[in-house]
Amino acid sequence: GENVEQHPSTLSVQEGDSAVIKCTYSDSASNYFPWYKQELGKRPQLIIDIRSNVGEKKDQRIAVTLNKTAKHFSLHITETQPEDSAVYFCAALTPRGKLIFGQGTELSVKP
Amino acid sequence: DVKVTQSSRYLVKRTGEKVFLECVQDMDHENMFWYRQDPGLGLRLIYFSYDVKMKEKGDIPEGYSVSREKKERFSLILESASTNQTSMYLCASSFVSLYLNSPLHFGNGTRLTVT
Repeated sequence: GENVEQHPSTLSVQEGDSAVIKCTYSDSASNYFPWYKQELGKRPQLIIDIRSNVGEKKDQRIAVTLNKTAKHFSLHITETQPEDSAVYFCAALTPRGKLIFGQGTELSVKP
Repeated sequence: DVKVTQSSRYLVKRTGEKVFLECVQDMDHENMFWYRQDPGLGLRLIYFSYDVKMKEKGDIPEGYSVSREKKERFSLILESASTNQTSMYLCASSFVSLYLNSPLHFGNGTRLTVT
């Protein structure tokens, strides 16, 4: 079936370090891969996305890479700050229009 | 700014009760979704709808049904609530094509406890 695997489930970094979260999807026809950030007690919010015709996208301190052959995509956060602490979800859009989410990564940035 | 409103923030119901979770969006979005969020399992899709009176099963539809009589409103129904349906329920909406730069907009969530 369609699924998205996300690792790690928890990640703790020092302020200023980089953080990397990795996801693997099962449906090779998936064509859109958004990342959502959910702060404690709040709703998930889109932070960056990438489409299948692009290998990399960057927006200030965050970047996403996509390897279609390996069915793998990653979120990179550089120069992490305490306000980056949150749960991050990756997702993949199937051709049927279903957005399948990963299990989430709880990122903790220590000052 | 897109607003997706879920009628209740917290809800406590008894086993066997029929439960209605309501969601309203104000951006004329075609698509609406119901997810449940559980620790370690991420967001799992229960049902989604592309249009009025249209619905499709997600990954975990068992024990749930939905209703979309008007474009702006998407209701999730627990026919007979059970304790394993205790969870955070998130409603979301988007324009017709997520692929064409139309992100998913989430509501604040309803934390349902079934006792």
